[in-house]
Amino acid sequence: EIVLTQSPGTLSLSPGARATLSCGASHRLTNNYLAWYQQKPGLAPRLLIYDASTRATDIPDRFSGSGSGTDFTLTINRLEPEDFAVYYCQSYAGSVSFGQGTKVEIK
Amino acid sequence: QVHLQESGPRLVKPSETLSLTCIVSGDSISDSRYYWGWVRQPPGRGLEWVASINHSGNTHYNPSLASRVTMSVDTSQSQFSLELTSMTGADTAVYFCARQAWSFTGFGVTPTTFDVWGQGTMITVS
Repeated sequence: EIVLTQSPGTLSLSPGARATLSCGASHRLTNNYLAWYQQKPGLAPRLLIYDASTRATDIPDRFSGSGSGTDFTLTINRLEPEDFAVYYCQSYAGSVSFGQGTKVEIK
Repeated sequence: QVHLQESGPRLVKPSETLSLTCIVSGDSISDSRYYWGWVRQPPGRGLEWVASINHSGNTHYNPSLASRVTMSVDTSQSQFSLELTSMTGADTAVYFCARQAWSFTGFGVTPTTFDVWGQGTMITVS
């Protein structure tokens, strides 16, 4: 089973800033099978990125994913007020697992 | 527009079996492009994949839960179901049903990302 470790646990930033979230995998992810989700309180998660770098439908281009192998990054350029949320990475290389999440909060 | 809705009891006693159903509308549950899955989230904690199934009844289970999980699908009713036995307080969580893509990988057919979610239902074990 692949274990995903996200850092930092919490990111405190101002609107307009850039957010950089990390996700590390315990084993190399075949074909970079990694996704990112956004979750706001009381709501279901929303798919942002899949295959490490492909934006899902209707996701703004300020969200971008990068990385390969065991190290992956979600970057959010010019944080909007609606971007403050918890973000999860998810692998699907053989089985499905989630990271523990990074909270992006308003500084 | 596809819509998923979970249904089931809100309260389950310890050692009993949880039975949840997800009704799919606005899309065909028989669409071969998708699996249908369950993801849970304990209060204040992260997401955990539970299990997935396709319209033919092919299943994938989280290895840590596989001994207690059974999924089934009823295409005539456009719904799929989850049973989780021997419930304990550690199973208290919001349970989401979701539509899941799949892909052929080096591991065979692999359910991948969740693109449409239900609103979730809070299940308490007490």
